[in-house]
Formats: sequence, structure tokens, C-alpha cells
Amino acid sequence: KNEVEQSPQNLTAQEGEFITINCSYSVGISALHWLQQHPGGGIVSLFMLSSGKKKHGRLIATINIQEKHSSLHITASHPRDSAVYICAVQLRTGTASKLTFGTGTRLQVTL
Amino acid sequence: DTEVTQTPKHLVMGMTNKKSLKCEQHMGHRAMYWYKQKAKKPPELMFVYSYEKLSINESVPSRFSPECPNSSLLNLHLHALQPEDSALYLCASSPQGYEQFFGPGTRLTVL
Repeated sequence: KNEVEQSPQNLTAQEGEFITINCSYSVGISALHWLQQHPGGGIVSLFMLSSGKKKHGRLIATINIQEKHSSLHITASHPRDSAVYICAVQLRTGTASKLTFGTGTRLQVTL
Repeated sequence: DTEVTQTPKHLVMGMTNKKSLKCEQHMGHRAMYWYKQKAKKPPELMFVYSYEKLSINESVPSRFSPECPNSSLLNLHLHALQPEDSALYLCASSPQGYEQFFGPGTRLTVL
């Protein structure tokens, strides 16, 4: 069993829909990251969370440390949101952090 | 300057070649990372440098040799690679205990 599980693996939505991607983990963590990767490579860090909730534009990320669960929400989805969304847990703080990645959720938003 | 740059963007090499990948950041981050990503898989950590010293080596074969000549630069020297080493190689950097900033990656093909 992977230490980080994401669901769903694939998601298709119509423009304007509210989207939720879930992440569960089984280890103690110091922080959780949500990352976005568009086709062609580059990874963008969306959020780093250690508790509670963060919001940036149409994106909202929440984390429940006791339940070892996080969600990424996209409101009013748009085709440009189509990408792979990756949950990663940070296993220690300090100068260098080691991330363990989930397998990603492939999101396709259609017109 | 708030980005991580990687060169080259694409690299094709034979199994007997020696080549190097380069990663640079000028954000003052003291931790730098090399990841390998195969198609439709999450990134896998290869190496972590902290204050220009190698702090994590994830049992990477010796045909991959990292080098951190200064706090802004990270190299990955490649020698005698195998076709299965073909992948996207991602570099990242982070300030102490905070989110990682990823570069756009080098897409490597080994013939």
C-alpha cells in the first residue's frame, strides 16, 4: 500500500463545475503539498499545508491532520485547469525536506 | 529572480556518451533536489543537497553523479546510461523547511 493515496485517478469535468481531489496518507508528516503538472513537464507548487485551509484564487486546499486527509477543490473549473494534480507529503522539516508523492489525479476540463 | 532553470530542455545521448544536466536558482535556497519522472508516474527522488553537501542519495546507480559546485548550481553528470534511464529529470530547490520550487525539467532520451 502506498503511503500517499489519491482519488480519483482520472477526472473529467465540464467547464464551471466544482472539483474535489482527495489525498490520504498513512505516515506522520510535517506538511502536505499540492502540485500541478501540465503536459510537457513543469511542476508548479500550489499549496503547502500543515493545518487548516488555504485559498488562492479559485483553488482551496484543506487538511485534517487527525484523519490524515487533504482535499484540493477547484471552483468554477476552466479548461486551463486541465493538468495532473499531485499530492505530496513532507516527512521532515529542516533545511532539506523529503517528499513522498501520490500517483496523481489527471483532470480534464471540457467546454 | 524567482525561478529554477534547467538546461538543456531536451537531450538525446547514446549509451557510451558522457553528458551533464544543469540546474540553477538565484533565490538563496540552500536545499536542492534531483528527481526522475517516468511517463504517467510521480517524480522519484534521486538526490538532495543541503548547504552544498549531499544529504540524501536514494540508492541511485553510480552512472548518475551529482555535483553542487556552489549554492546556486546543481549538476547531474551522466555516464554509460541505459535506455530505461530515459525520463524527465526535474530539479527543485527550497528554503529551509518550506515548499519546493521545481524547474521545467530536462527530457532525456537514451538510445
